[in-house]
Amino acid sequence: DTAVSQTPKYLVTQMGNDKSIKCEQNLGHDTMYWYKQDSKKFLKIMFSYNNKELIINETVPNRFSPKSPDKAHLNLHINSLELGDSAVYFCASSLWTGANYGYTFGSGTRLTVV
Amino acid sequence: AQKITQTQPGMFVQEKEAVTLDCTYDTSDQSYGLFWYKQPSSGEMIFLIYQGSYDEQNATEGRYSLNFQKARKSANLVISASQLGDSAMYFCAMREGYDKIIFGKGTRLHILP
Repeated sequence: DTAVSQTPKYLVTQMGNDKSIKCEQNLGHDTMYWYKQDSKKFLKIMFSYNNKELIINETVPNRFSPKSPDKAHLNLHINSLELGDSAVYFCASSLWTGANYGYTFGSGTRLTVV
Repeated sequence: AQKITQTQPGMFVQEKEAVTLDCTYDTSDQSYGLFWYKQPSSGEMIFLIYQGSYDEQNATEGRYSLNFQKARKSANLVISASQLGDSAMYFCAMREGYDKIIFGKGTRLHILP
């Protein structure tokens, strides 16, 4: 049973399209995150939710909108996709904010915008 | 300003040798946490080890240990008896504030047979 699952694993789409990435965790964690990993492998936090409430919203274009219907799910919707959005997007979860152990990451979604 | 610095973009090490991956960090917080993650070529992020700022002992997890030098703000990862499967990207990370973990740029480790 996968702890943090993301779908789809690969996403190829044209500029200007709107797409969503889904994330679900079955660990009972309270906090979920979206990270973006660029082509140079740099990981940067985008959003975090704690019990469905937005906690962190880094300087991310408002074309990116996270949605958390419940604490086990955190989806990422991207409007008007641009070439620069091509990256690997990781969902992660932790038991609570400030927890002194690592996140559990999903396997990532490789988004390619053409 | 960069909060996590990994100065070794790439390393080549002979199999069975010990490896030290460098990491320095910058924070004014008294309470913080330091992490190492491994990312193999398959892409998943694997948590390796954690060190709390108040922990007096260096953290160890199997072949991994974290050489924590608080005064130097250094948190190096040591892998003993390296194996071919250790070839991967390794990220040092720090819990910043209460809410998030920030990552260094990573070190790509190649283990040579």
